[in-house]
Amino acid sequence: DQQVKQNSPSLSVQEGRISILNCDYTNSMFDYFLWYKKYPAEGPTFLISISSIKDKNEDGRFTVFLNKSAKHLSLHIVPSQPGDSAVYFCAAKINTDKLIFGTGTRLQVFP
Amino acid sequence: DTGVSQDPRHKITKRGQNVTFRCDPISEHNRLYWYRQTLGQGPEFLTYFQNEAQLEKSRLLSDRFSAERPKGSFSTLEIQRTEQGDSAMYLCASSLEPGRALVNEQFFGPGTRLTVL
Repeated sequence: DQQVKQNSPSLSVQEGRISILNCDYTNSMFDYFLWYKKYPAEGPTFLISISSIKDKNEDGRFTVFLNKSAKHLSLHIVPSQPGDSAVYFCAAKINTDKLIFGTGTRLQVFP
Repeated sequence: DTGVSQDPRHKITKRGQNVTFRCDPISEHNRLYWYRQTLGQGPEFLTYFQNEAQLEKSRLLSDRFSAERPKGSFSTLEIQRTEQGDSAMYLCASSLEPGRALVNEQFFGPGTRLTVL
């Protein structure tokens, strides 16, 4: 039962353009959503989060949008940089701190 | 370096052997989590502690797995009678308990990669 889904295993974007990573979820009880970035041989690094009572949160080049009716969230990175190349995980939680992760999207930013 | 540390970073063992991993969280964090990640998947929750109390265990955590956090600081994860299916990256994370941080994010360590031959 995959409660958090990232249907695009990979994404390739040119440097300077916008990267849009998508995430869908099935459990309407999720109250907090987070995005993590992971480089090879390292643990996931927190990027940005959003509460279920909001529909947008912005932090520098990163913006997360939440559409509760569609049970969908997206991460926008603009402008994309080569250093953004990594695997991005969407995660969600309900009340407790247990995180439920998606399967990840590998982003490649090329010059 | 005041981040989450894990030891060892890599472990190769033969099927049937026992292995133990250690996690040292960020010092002021009272919550500590264990996750497992296999190839092509996101991290899967195994268990978590608040101080020394183990508050939740996943169904993924079979009887061969045991985790401890005896003094509320570092934690150990032991796998007994390892099987090839136990091969994975074992990740540890720590956080403040809810209400003590504006954003209750979890900070992850670099992981321990286990290979069972």
